[in-house]
Amino acid sequence: EAGVTQFPSHSVIEKGQTVTLRCDPISGHDNLYWYRRVMGKEIKFLLHFVKESKQDESGMPNNRFLAERTGGTYSTLKVQPAELEDSGVYFCASSQHRGGPYNEQFFGPGTRLTVL
Amino acid sequence: GQSLEQPSEVTAVEGAIVQINCTYQTSGFYGLSWYQQHDGGAPTFLSYNALDGLEETGRFSSFLSRSDSYGYLLLQELQMKDSASYFCAAPNSGNTPLVFGKGTRLSVIA
Repeated sequence: EAGVTQFPSHSVIEKGQTVTLRCDPISGHDNLYWYRRVMGKEIKFLLHFVKESKQDESGMPNNRFLAERTGGTYSTLKVQPAELEDSGVYFCASSQHRGGPYNEQFFGPGTRLTVL
Repeated sequence: GQSLEQPSEVTAVEGAIVQINCTYQTSGFYGLSWYQQHDGGAPTFLSYNALDGLEETGRFSSFLSRSDSYGYLLLQELQMKDSASYFCAAPNSGNTPLVFGKGTRLSVIA
């Protein structure tokens, strides 16, 4: 079974440019999460989809970030225009949506974004 | 909200035992999980404790005390490949996003 995949693995852009990150979750996983780790800091939550609906976007830093999950499959995260402080590693994770105390989240390898 | 505190760095000798502690403050708590991340890699799930006590999986064990808002990850028979960052994390419920600690960088030396 394929794991969570993310594209690109690295992206280097200049301040003011636009970048779109893509995440393909594990097939059948309704939960899709975006996280970000800025250098030296903790992994922080950005956004949670359940299928195609945004369940929680309280972690999105500002309106320069736009996430979509059309059709409830893959998701994109667009940063427009990018700023220096957006640099970091963006992780995507997915899990099955079910009741119970815990659903293991499976993480992708991340996209390392560098804004110059 | 939630916050999880863990040491930033730990160094241990190959073959030894190391314990990484995590204390948490949460408004809602379902359990504590641990993730391992090698440089440049994806965080990978190690363990989850919903109840107090010790969970053992091979060389790795994890402990939780809800009354103390405290947990730890215990790594035994350390190997060089165990050098990585280790994160404690907590969900408010089974489907909610994870809140992570800042991570503990473990360096295993010969």
